[in-house]
Amino acid sequence: NAGVTQTPKFRILKIGQSMTLQCTQDMNHNYMYWYRQDPGMGLKLIYYSVGAGITDKGEVPNGYNVSRSTTEDFPLRLELAAPSQTSVYFCASSYGRAGTEAFFGQGTRLTVV
Amino acid sequence: KQEVTQIPAALSVPEGENLVLNCSFTDSAIYNLQWFRQDPGKGLTSLLLIQSSQREQTSGRLNASLDKSSGRSTLYIAASQPGDSATYLCALGDGSSNTGKLIFGQGTTLQVKP
Repeated sequence: NAGVTQTPKFRILKIGQSMTLQCTQDMNHNYMYWYRQDPGMGLKLIYYSVGAGITDKGEVPNGYNVSRSTTEDFPLRLELAAPSQTSVYFCASSYGRAGTEAFFGQGTRLTVV
Repeated sequence: KQEVTQIPAALSVPEGENLVLNCSFTDSAIYNLQWFRQDPGKGLTSLLLIQSSQREQTSGRLNASLDKSSGRSTLYIAASQPGDSATYLCALGDGSSNTGKLIFGQGTTLQVKP
């Protein structure tokens, strides 16, 4: 059981570069989420999706984009990377509506220099 | 706006001690509350999930309680071990939308000394 898989695990970007963080889940979950975690802080929601073709903004969406073309995959795109986007990014999924358990990937540690 | 607070931010205890981690929230309209464990440089591992209609959940040496009326949840760890050292996060299922979004506290970093 792979669960939620994120790639890459680590990445260093230069200011202004772009990249895509990959997330895939094999649990046939409808709901998927991207969170970021800054040092000493809890996680904050960037974007989420309730099914293929449906995405919506979370608390901190600026500077990011997402797409959901399949149930399994939910990539997060960073355009024009900025130092403020240095963080650890977590992808998560859950089976359905609120009240169901969320499962998290191992995270992507991103540094923008 | 829902706010989640975890106190203390850090805790150090000797091995074998029973301990309680606290999580408080400002709005009782929640779907559920989930406790996670996070090891340094790792992802989040779900420990316990309490639905809004439940009062507590138990798994091994862990017991989590939920009191919506007072806006509190506690995670009780019995007979702590050095392997319990980690950061513990509580997260609420956002009651304002049926989307499974989670609102996190800042976490409590626990160190259990041998």
